[in-house]
Amino acid sequence: GDSVTQTEGLVTLTKGLPVMLNCTYQTTYSPFLFWYVQHLNEAPKLLLKSSTDNKRTEHQGFYATLHKSSSSFHLQKSSVQLSDSALYFCALSDTNAYKVIFGKGTHLHVLP
Amino acid sequence: GGIITQTPKFLIGQEGQKLTLKCQQNFNHDTMYWYRQDSGKGLRLIYYSITENDLQKGDLSEGYDASREKKSSFSLTVTSAQKNEMAVFLCASKGLENYAEQFFGPGTRLTVL
Repeated sequence: GDSVTQTEGLVTLTKGLPVMLNCTYQTTYSPFLFWYVQHLNEAPKLLLKSSTDNKRTEHQGFYATLHKSSSSFHLQKSSVQLSDSALYFCALSDTNAYKVIFGKGTHLHVLP
Repeated sequence: GGIITQTPKFLIGQEGQKLTLKCQQNFNHDTMYWYRQDSGKGLRLIYYSITENDLQKGDLSEGYDASREKKSSFSLTVTSAQKNEMAVFLCASKGLENYAEQFFGPGTRLTVL
C-alpha cells in the first residue's frame, strides 16, 4: 500500500544554518505530496504542497521539489530561525483522494 | 475561510468508561477525519468519512466508534477508555480534490485515570 517515510526523528541545529528534512514515499499512482508544520500545542497547518515533477514550491522561506524518479519530497530552508522549531510532517494524498497518509514526523529544534 | 471546533478541549475519564468527542466544521467540506496523536509523535488515522453517513476505518479503529450524521459534524467514541490512550485527538476536514489541504481543529486532550 501507499506509505511515507521520514527518516529523522529529531534534527537539532543552530540558528542561521541550512536544513533538509527527508521525505520519501511509495505509491503506485500519481502522487500528491504535502508538508505540514505543527508548533507546540497547536494544530498542524499546511506549509506547502506539490504534484508537479521537478518543480520547486516555496512558502515562508521553506521549499521542496517533488522528484518522482526518486520518490522524494525533501523540505529545505537556507537559514533556519528559532521560530522554525516545530514538528514537521510529510503527507501523501491517497489514490482515491480521501485518505491522507502521514509520515511519523520530524522534530526540528533550532538553537540560539 | 472556515473553522473547525472540537469539544471538549480537555476530557478526563475513568478506565473502562465510554467517552465521546465532537467535531464541527463550517468549511462545507465533504471529508472529515479523526487522528490520534500521542505526545510529540505522529498522526494515526482512526476513522474518516467521505460524506454524510459514510464511515471508513483507519489503521487504529479498534476500540473506537464514529458517527457522521450531518455533513458538518463528526463524532468519535472511545468505547472503553484505557490508561494507555492518553493522547490528543485531532479532527480534520478537506475538500474532495486530491490536492486539497486538510484543515485541523485544535484537538481534544484525553486523560484516563
